[in-house]
Amino acid sequence: GQSLEQPSEVTAVEGAIVQINCTYQTSGFYGLSWYQQHDGGAPTFLSYNALDGLEETGRFSSFLSRSDSYGYLLLQELQMKDSASYFCALQGGNYQLIWGAGTKLIIKP
Amino acid sequence: DARVTQTPRHKVTEMGQEVTMRCQPILGHNTVFWYRQTMMQGLELLAYFRNRAPLDDSGMPKDRFSAEMPDATLATLKIQPSEPRDSAVYFCASGLPLVGTEAFFGQGTRLTVV
Repeated sequence: GQSLEQPSEVTAVEGAIVQINCTYQTSGFYGLSWYQQHDGGAPTFLSYNALDGLEETGRFSSFLSRSDSYGYLLLQELQMKDSASYFCALQGGNYQLIWGAGTKLIIKP
Repeated sequence: DARVTQTPRHKVTEMGQEVTMRCQPILGHNTVFWYRQTMMQGLELLAYFRNRAPLDDSGMPKDRFSAEMPDATLATLKIQPSEPRDSAVYFCASGLPLVGTEAFFGQGTRLTVV
């Protein structure tokens, strides 16, 4: 089967850098996505990695290593508004998404 | 601007009642997902449609849940009869079957069954 693991909670300080890891088990997939969800809100798309390496979008970067079955989301210059849950998701067969359980990011002033 | 619209946003109902949730996907999107989110289970895929046909509904309790797409602009999720354990936020998302494409989520229906 397919499964993803993420830490349940990560705490960081405003202005700092934080990395949220995602390890997975799968027989095949198209790519790894990251979504952000604020409390009471809907998940929104952040980034997608089809190939190994780093993808950068402003303060956020995402990394994928297929050989290590591992990816991460890197958030720089943390702001209080970045407090949210972050989900990694594999895009698998039929283009459906297989989701991790989410990581709650707590940012302290 | 294009968005996925879900109704109702909130629903409180008594155990045993029928609940119908509706979703209008983004125009042109031919893929629709229904998810359930609870604190304990995270995001669970209930059903997945492509061109209005169900591709995967293995995550849905068949005895009480049903999902349909009467037309390309409407997806429905019904629970009959509802139970307290069905209390959760139900999200609809739409997208396109392309590598790297994102899923666009509606704001969800928060269901409370008492």
